Amino acid sequence: AQSVAQPEDQVNVAEGNPLTVKCTYSVSGNPYLFWYVQYPNRGLQFLLKYITGDNLVKGSYGFEAEFNKSQTSFHLKKPSALVSDSALYFCAVRDLGGGADGLTFGKGTHLIIQP
Amino acid sequence: NAGVTQTPKFQVLKTGQSMTLQCAQDMNHNSMYWYRQDPGMGLRLIYYSASEGTTDKGEVPNGYNVSRLNKREFSLRLESAAPSQTSVYFCASSEPPSAQYFGPGTRLLVL
Repeated sequence: AQSVAQPEDQVNVAEGNPLTVKCTYSVSGNPYLFWYVQYPNRGLQFLLKYITGDNLVKGSYGFEAEFNKSQTSFHLKKPSALVSDSALYFCAVRDLGGGADGLTFGKGTHLIIQP
Repeated sequence: NAGVTQTPKFQVLKTGQSMTLQCAQDMNHNSMYWYRQDPGMGLRLIYYSASEGTTDKGEVPNGYNVSRLNKREFSLRLESAAPSQTSVYFCASSEPPSAQYFGPGTRLLVL
């Protein structure tokens, strides 16, 4: 079975500082990995994905994520945080090895950017 | 191009009542999904449909049924609602392995 762990319920960062939201995963085969963002009372918005290729993936709104196979991690990063980045962030995985076609999500991390 | 649309946006039911949540996508995607989101638990897959005419159970299918009416539409039915089904329901579509795109959600309260 596949699983995703987001070890931090909340991350606090000062505006202008770099941010990292952590994600680790477990799959039996090769993973497809995704990051989504959710603003209050809204649906999930796709930020970026890793399927194959370069370990550093660039996505929307200046976000990027680094795939590390040996550490089974896919941490979300941004060099300089904005107050508008404050939201709920979800990491998700799909196992290429089979099983349900849907994504398995982490529990989410609240990112709070302080002015 | 509306993406993924869901109706209704909000619904209150009494225990034992039934209802159908509607979802439609205009991106010509083959795969569609229903998730529920509960506080502190992320999103959990209820059912999915890999193509028109097929449906499969996800992680939490009990108490739900689905219908893939055509390529565009995928509905979720609660035959006899229970308070444990109070949640926010999201529909999504995709063309695997690309990303899933989500609708705005339906907030359901079962009293």
